[in-house]
Amino acid sequence: AAGVIQSPRHLIKEKRETATLKCYPIPRHDTVYWYQQGPGQDPQFLISFYEKMQSDKGSIPDRFSAQQFSDYHSELNMSSLELGDSALYFCASSLEYGRGSGNTIYFGEGSWLTVV
Amino acid sequence: KNEVEQSPQNLTAQEGEFITINCSYSVGISALHWLQQHPGGGIVSLFMLSSGKKKHGRLIATINIQEKHSSLHITASHPRDSAVYICAVRLEETSGSRLTFGEGTQLTVNP
Repeated sequence: AAGVIQSPRHLIKEKRETATLKCYPIPRHDTVYWYQQGPGQDPQFLISFYEKMQSDKGSIPDRFSAQQFSDYHSELNMSSLELGDSALYFCASSLEYGRGSGNTIYFGEGSWLTVV
Repeated sequence: KNEVEQSPQNLTAQEGEFITINCSYSVGISALHWLQQHPGGGIVSLFMLSSGKKKHGRLIATINIQEKHSSLHITASHPRDSAVYICAVRLEETSGSRLTFGEGTQLTVNP
């Protein structure tokens, strides 16, 4: 069965550069979530989208932006990268809470970003 | 104080042992997830609970809403169960569907 696909899996950028991470949700899932997990830390919620509209916003820096496209894939754009942005970035998808059987959240493998 | 707390933080067991990981939360929730994270980083959703008990293979998850507590049990543990197990909750107060994560329990099962 198709899972949540993230790309790239690994990315190395220099300070002040820009990076874009992509997430392809499970087919028919309409909600996408982005999480950031720093080294040795819990995942922290960044932002989510439902039906291409931002549905919730967490601790996402102003330097970051994200959107969900008509095919439901999502992109996380990070600019003016800082060393502290080095982390594992997870995307997850689900049917919007309140619909579907169980609304289980499915996670991608994550994208490792290293800022040097 | 974290809204979601797990215990123990680290757990070492011998193959075949029965394992319990606990999760307590301090706020109202609408759902609780048990997740598994392997060293490569990928997260797998094991269970989503809003009440009662669920079982899948050797894994059992229970939740007591009144006591704000959930447990994940692994029967007949195996070295391949070695991973970080994370409890994550969807808070009632949030308008979206974000999860708040516990700090995770590092499980090591020795052969």
